[in-house]
Amino acid sequence: AQSVTQLDSQVPVFEEAPVELRCNYSSSVSVYLFWYVQYPNQGLQLLLKYLSGSTLVKGINGFEAEFNKSQTSFHLRKPSVHISDTAEYFCAVSDMFSGGYNKLIFGAGTRLAVHP
Amino acid sequence: DAGVTQSPTHLIKTRGQQVTLRCSPKSGHDTVSWYQQALGQGPQFIFQYYEEEERQRGNFPDRFSGHQFPNYSSELNVNALLLGDSALYLCASSLEGPRDGDNEQFFGPGTRLTVL
Repeated sequence: AQSVTQLDSQVPVFEEAPVELRCNYSSSVSVYLFWYVQYPNQGLQLLLKYLSGSTLVKGINGFEAEFNKSQTSFHLRKPSVHISDTAEYFCAVSDMFSGGYNKLIFGAGTRLAVHP
Repeated sequence: DAGVTQSPTHLIKTRGQQVTLRCSPKSGHDTVSWYQQALGQGPQFIFQYYEEEERQRGNFPDRFSGHQFPNYSSELNVNALLLGDSALYLCASSLEGPRDGDNEQFFGPGTRLTVL
């Protein structure tokens, strides 16, 4: 069964600094990967997704992620963060090829705290 | 477009009681998935409904049941509530299509259930 590991539960960073949130997934023949953001008291919003093609994926709000098949990783990056980026970030894999019907399997989340 | 809506926003119940949560999918969507997000954890897949039938289920007991109506809205029912059922319950809708991972799931704001 698929699993997702987010290596950092919390990441503190100063405003305008770069940030990387790390995500590893269990190996699979084919995999679809996602990053979601959750602001306080809100649902999940899709930041970006990898389905196929270029391994560098660009998303909303200046975020990007790189799919690395050999390392089974899908790390999220932003070159310069803002206070408004403070939120919980979830990495997810879509269990499409074991009868998954687009079931999402989430990591435990990384709390990004941006300080002035 | 109202997006995915859920009701109620918050709910407090006592152990042993039963609860019903409701979800209206994004306009044009026909598939509804339910997730449980315990405090400090990532969402966990409960089940998915399509064409008014449950077609996939996560690792949740039979106390969790659901329904999808002809207008694609859905209900999640939980019987014999336990303290451990306290969580944010998220509904996600999508449009059934080719299994290429591109049928993005849109999440509602969730229902916060507290079991005392």
